[in-house]
Amino acid sequence: KNEVEQSPQNLTAQEGEFITINCSYSVGISALHWLQQHPGGGIVSLFMLSSGKKKHGRLIATINIQEKHSSLHITASHPRDSAVYICAVGPYGGATNKLIFGTGTLLAVQP
Amino acid sequence: EPEVTQTPSHQVTQMGQEVILRCVPISNHLYFYWYRQILGQKVEFLVSFYNNEISEKSEIFDDQFSVERPDGSNFTLKIRSTKLEDSAMYFCASRLASYNEQFFGPGTRLTVL
Repeated sequence: KNEVEQSPQNLTAQEGEFITINCSYSVGISALHWLQQHPGGGIVSLFMLSSGKKKHGRLIATINIQEKHSSLHITASHPRDSAVYICAVGPYGGATNKLIFGTGTLLAVQP
Repeated sequence: EPEVTQTPSHQVTQMGQEVILRCVPISNHLYFYWYRQILGQKVEFLVSFYNNEISEKSEIFDDQFSVERPDGSNFTLKIRSTKLEDSAMYFCASRLASYNEQFFGPGTRLTVL
């Protein structure tokens, strides 16, 4: 069983739509990360959160520690948001806080 | 803005050859990582490095793999005798402290023929 599960695996949206990507995890964590990976392969950190909610521009990330669940929302989606969005967790108690990755959600936003 | 850099961007090698993948982490960071992503699969942790030694490694990181921080700026991953299944994108990452976000390099695509 994967320690980090994401849904959906693939998502197609029309420009302007509100998008939600979900992440569930089964381990105790010190923090959860949302990352973005573009077709060229590079990984960019979007959010790191351990409680509550964070907002950056049109992106919002929430986490519910009790339910071991996080969501990434994109408001007013745009074709440039098309990418793979990855949820990753840093296991609690790990001295080095390696990341355990989900399989990613491939988002395509059509004009 | 400081960034993690990796060289080369693409390395093609023959099975059985040694390869060294290079990374320059952000200068004041203290924790360093190597991850890999086989095509179409999720990113996997390989090894973490802190205070000039390996702090954690995964099952993937067997005797064929080694890491070094030879000069205080570079952070290298060596694969002694490459196998076909080592073909993947290898990402280096660094962070200032264990509770900070990780910054990723652009990756090195390794192709083993």
